[in-house]
Amino acid sequence: SQTIHQWPATLVQPVGSPLSLECTVEGTSNPNLYWYRQAAGRGLQLLFYSVGIGQISSEVPQNLSASRPQDRQFILSSKKLLLSDSGFYLCAWSSGGIPPAETQYFGPGTRLLVL
Amino acid sequence: QKEVEQDPGPLSVPEGAIVSLNCTYSNSAFQYFMWYRQYSRKGPELLMYTYSSGNKEDGRFTAQVDKSSKYISLFIRDSQPSDSATYLCAMDQFYFGTGTSLTVIP
Repeated sequence: SQTIHQWPATLVQPVGSPLSLECTVEGTSNPNLYWYRQAAGRGLQLLFYSVGIGQISSEVPQNLSASRPQDRQFILSSKKLLLSDSGFYLCAWSSGGIPPAETQYFGPGTRLLVL
Repeated sequence: QKEVEQDPGPLSVPEGAIVSLNCTYSNSAFQYFMWYRQYSRKGPELLMYTYSSGNKEDGRFTAQVDKSSKYISLFIRDSQPSDSATYLCAMDQFYFGTGTSLTVIP
């Protein structure tokens, strides 16, 4: 069966520090991968998605970036965190079909607090 | 206007009650409609998935889509304390509501 891992589970970082969040998927190959941010009262916001190694699409311009160095690994990064980057970051995968018909499966999330 | 509107609640019901959760949307081109359940501090998990209009039933859960009114619903019958969670609607994979917080009181 497929599983999705995210770490760390919780992170407290000072403003201006760098960020690296990692997501890995097991039990499937060539998945579509997604990064979302969930802020209180604002629902899920799609940040990035990837249909293959090295292929990243950005949905929201901001100081975050994403990379996909391996088929089942997705990394969310920032060079300098802002207070507004605080939130719950969720990684998700789908089986590699064509949106919008895809079912997504979410990881456990990383709670980020920027102080 | 947001593309997807969902009443955040909170909603509190006694055990055994029928729960109705709703979302409205503005984009008539949406074709796929999902409901996710999210427990506190966890990632969302898919509950129901519906294509176009109509009803879909899965155990105690029924999803209903009315494209003419741009309105979708999730009904939970015989609600249980374990149903206490936030319920998110989603459309065409990427468009999410803000979630409705539900508490079922034993």
